[in-house]
Amino acid sequence: DGGITQSPKYLFRKEGQNVTLSCEQNLNHDAMYWYRQDPGQGLRLIYYSQIVNDFQKGDIAEGYSVSREKKESFPLTVTSAQKNPTAFYLCASSPLAATNEQFFGPGTRLTVL
Amino acid sequence: AQSVTQPDIHITVSEGASLELRCNYSYGATPYLFWYVQSPGQGLQLLLKYFSGDTLVQGIKGFEAEFKRSQSSFNLRKPSVHWSDAAEYFCAVGDGDSWGKFQFGAGTQVVVTP
Repeated sequence: DGGITQSPKYLFRKEGQNVTLSCEQNLNHDAMYWYRQDPGQGLRLIYYSQIVNDFQKGDIAEGYSVSREKKESFPLTVTSAQKNPTAFYLCASSPLAATNEQFFGPGTRLTVL
Repeated sequence: AQSVTQPDIHITVSEGASLELRCNYSYGATPYLFWYVQSPGQGLQLLLKYFSGDTLVQGIKGFEAEFKRSQSSFNLRKPSVHWSDAAEYFCAVGDGDSWGKFQFGAGTQVVVTP
């Protein structure tokens, strides 16, 4: 089945530790995105990538880092510099055209203790 | 920059009643508009989208939306809701360039009562 996978679904980390969230897609989409979701705030864009080895900061990139070494993979690292990392993280992908919708993965809930 | 407002944070509707969710956008050019639905703890699923043509758009699960340029609105409707429609609904606007960046509204939580 084609789609987007995110792992793990739940993740617990101690404060001060870096953690990497996985996102893989087999839809052959060029663009990939990371969003953070908090109650009452909708989705906020963290990073996005149009092509391999290139990515751009979104609205709330501070404390996060990404890589795009392969077309199908776009991992997100939540660093210790992120002051409030506990949230629901969503990965999405889309073909490169403005009229195309984004396809979303099931999300990863990160809790920092 | 584009922006999206969903004025209703929470809506309660009886099963079988009609539903309308409001979405207002701010964007200089012709917007690309989307409605998504999210069940608890899940990702987002596309209900419908608009980018040109007929201003009344049909989507999945019996939903439709109407684009009104004069009101900068893209409201979502369903004539008769089912208990399975209880979820959170997000309106999004695309900025029209090749990046496909979206701006999402804050969401509307829909509760369906028997």
